[in-house]
Amino acid sequence: DQQVKQNSPSLSVQEGRISILNCDYTNSMFDYFLWYKKYPAEGPTFLISISSIKDKNEDGRFTVFLNKSAKHLSLHIVPSQPGDSAVYFCAARGTASKLTFGTGTRLQVTL
Amino acid sequence: DTGVSQDPRHKITKRGQNVTFRCDPISEHNRLYWYRQTLGQGPEFLTYFQNEAQLEKSRLLSDRFSAERPKGSFSTLEIQRTEQGDSAMYLCASSLEASPAPYEQYFGPGTRLTVT
Repeated sequence: DQQVKQNSPSLSVQEGRISILNCDYTNSMFDYFLWYKKYPAEGPTFLISISSIKDKNEDGRFTVFLNKSAKHLSLHIVPSQPGDSAVYFCAARGTASKLTFGTGTRLQVTL
Repeated sequence: DTGVSQDPRHKITKRGQNVTFRCDPISEHNRLYWYRQTLGQGPEFLTYFQNEAQLEKSRLLSDRFSAERPKGSFSTLEIQRTEQGDSAMYLCASSLEASPAPYEQYFGPGTRLTVT
C-alpha cells in the first residue's frame, strides 16, 4: 500500500523554464509534507516543506503547493538550472515524525 | 558541525555474515532515524530513537536486525546472518524535536550494503 506516490519517474526541462514535480498521497493524517533532493551516492537533502494547514510555501526558486482536498502537492522550480538535475523525493510526516517517501522523480535540466 | 556521518560508506559481505553500521547524528539532535532504500524506491522507515530509547520499529525490521543508540549519541545498526535481499542503501537521519521545524530530518550519505 503506497501512501505517497510520484507517478512520473522522470522529467526533462530546459534551463530557465519551470519544472513541476507532482506528488499524491492517500493518508489524510499526514501533517507535514517535504521535498528532498538526492544526488547519486549522497543522502537526501531537505529542500522545502509545507504544513497541512497551508496551501503554499515559497523559498527562493522553490514553491510547494498543497491541495488538501485532492491530496496532491507539487513542487515548482523557477527558473530551472542545470544544477537542479537530481532525483526529487516527496515525503509525508506521520506518527512519531517518521517520513513516508514516494519513489522519486528524476529531473534533468537541459541547456 | 559537519552534519550526519555514516560509516562505512560501502560494505560487501557474503551471505550469512553479520554486518554493523554506524551513524553519528548532528550533535544536538535528539532524534535519530534509520531508513533503507532499494533501487527505484524511496527511503523506507526502519526504526527511530528519541535520545537512547528506541520508540518504534517497522515490520520491515526482522529479528535479524538490531539497532542501538547508547547514551543517546551515535547509533549502530546490526544485521545478522545477512541475506541477498538485505542489499540496499541504509540511511540515517537526525532531527531536533524541540526545534521550530521538528519535521526536518537531515540525512547522512548512507551505507551501501551488497550481499553476495
